[in-house]
Amino acid sequence: GEQVEQRPPHLSVREGDSAVITCTYTDPNSYYFFWYKQEPGASLQLLMKVFSSTEINEGQGFTVLLNKKDKRLSLNLTAAHPGDSAAYFCAVSATSSGQKLVFGQGTILKVYL
Amino acid sequence: NSKVIQTPRYLVKGQGQKAKMRCIPEKGHPVVFWYQQNKNNEFKFLINFQNQEVLQQIDMTEKRFSAECPSNSPCSLEIQSSEAGDSALYLCASSLSWAGGYAEQFFGPGTRLTVL
Repeated sequence: GEQVEQRPPHLSVREGDSAVITCTYTDPNSYYFFWYKQEPGASLQLLMKVFSSTEINEGQGFTVLLNKKDKRLSLNLTAAHPGDSAAYFCAVSATSSGQKLVFGQGTILKVYL
Repeated sequence: NSKVIQTPRYLVKGQGQKAKMRCIPEKGHPVVFWYQQNKNNEFKFLINFQNQEVLQQIDMTEKRFSAECPSNSPCSLEIQSSEAGDSALYLCASSLSWAGGYAEQFFGPGTRLTVL
C-alpha cells in the first residue's frame, strides 16, 4: 500500500524566514494530497488540499508544490511567524488505500524571534 | 472550523478495562473515520463507515476494537481489553460521500486515552 515519508522531523527557523517541509509518496495512483496543521492539544486543521491535476497551490502565507514525476509534495511557509509554530502533517489518498488517508510522520516547526 | 464532536477528551483506564469513546460527525456527513495517533505522531487508520455500514477496517480493529455508527446516535469506538500500547490520541473525522470524487476529512479534537 501507499507509504509516505516526511522530512524533516524537526525544523527551527527565525521569524520572517522561509520553512520548507517535504513529503514523498510511493503510489503513482495517488490523487489527493492534504496538509494539516496541529497545534499542541488541538486537532488537525486542514491547511490545503491539492489534487493531482494542479501543481501549485497558494494559501495565506504558504505555497504547496506537487511534483508528480518525482512523487513529491512540499509545503513552503514563505515568511514564518511565531503563530506558525506547530506540527505539520502531509496526508495522501490513493486508489490502493481506498478513502483512508495515509499520513507522513510529521514535522515539528518552531519559529523563534 | 471543524464541527466534529468527540467525547470524552481524556480517558484513563487500567489494563484489561474497556475504553469507549464517542464521535458526532458534522451534520450531513455520512462518512466517519477513526484514526489512532501515537506519541511518536504516527497515524494509524482504524475503521471507516458510510452511514451504518463498515467500509474498511484494519485487522487490529477486527479483533480487539468494536465500532459502530448507529442512526440517530453518536458513533463509538470501544477497546474491549485495553493494553498499554493503546495509549494514544484517537481522532474521529467525517466527510461528505466521495462518490464521484474525494471529499476532505474534517477532524474532531480527539480523545486522549491513557492506559495505566
